[in-house]
Amino acid sequence: DGGITQSPKYLFRKEGQNVTLSCEQNLNHDAMYWYRQDPGQGLRLIYYSQIVNDFQKGDIAEGYSVSREKKESFPLTVTSAQKNPTAFYLCASSTQGPTYEQYFGPGTRLTVT
Amino acid sequence: AQSVAQPEDQVNVAEGNPLTVKCTYSVSGNPYLFWYVQYPNRGLQFLLKYITGDNLVKGSYGFEAEFNKSQTSFHLKKPSALVSDSALYFCAVRVLSGNTGKLIFGQGTTLQVKP
Repeated sequence: DGGITQSPKYLFRKEGQNVTLSCEQNLNHDAMYWYRQDPGQGLRLIYYSQIVNDFQKGDIAEGYSVSREKKESFPLTVTSAQKNPTAFYLCASSTQGPTYEQYFGPGTRLTVT
Repeated sequence: AQSVAQPEDQVNVAEGNPLTVKCTYSVSGNPYLFWYVQYPNRGLQFLLKYITGDNLVKGSYGFEAEFNKSQTSFHLKKPSALVSDSALYFCAVRVLSGNTGKLIFGQGTTLQVKP
């Protein structure tokens, strides 16, 4: 089965701790994306990567970091500097080129207390 | 600024009636437009896209969308709604940056189909 996996589905952390969210795809896509979803605010882009070993900040990158060492993996670290980290996080991937749709993973719900 | 607007937070329709979920956009250059659907606590699923050509685009699950360049709109439609269509719908536009660029999403519209 081809697709995007995100783990874990639910994640709980204490304030002040860094946490890393996993995203893996076996679709052979070059581009990968991380979004944050909050109620009533749609999806906001955190980081994206169009090729291995390269990534760009999205609209709300502060307090987050990423790496893209392998084509199939794009982990997101939520650092203690992120002021309001509790949210639903979605990973996506797509073929290179502007006409291709993005495929989304099932999401990780992060709760920080 | 490049943007997408979904003017309705919620749309309510009766099962069997036609449905429309509205989307307007503002981009420079040719627009590449997408519709996605999200069920509770799930990721987004791609429904359809407009790249070029015929203004009426057909997609998954019987959905279609009409591209209107003069009104800068890309409304999602379905001739006969099902209760199972109840979900959150997102319109998105591609903003070019490098080879692929990124998607800008609207705020989302909740579709409620009542039996």
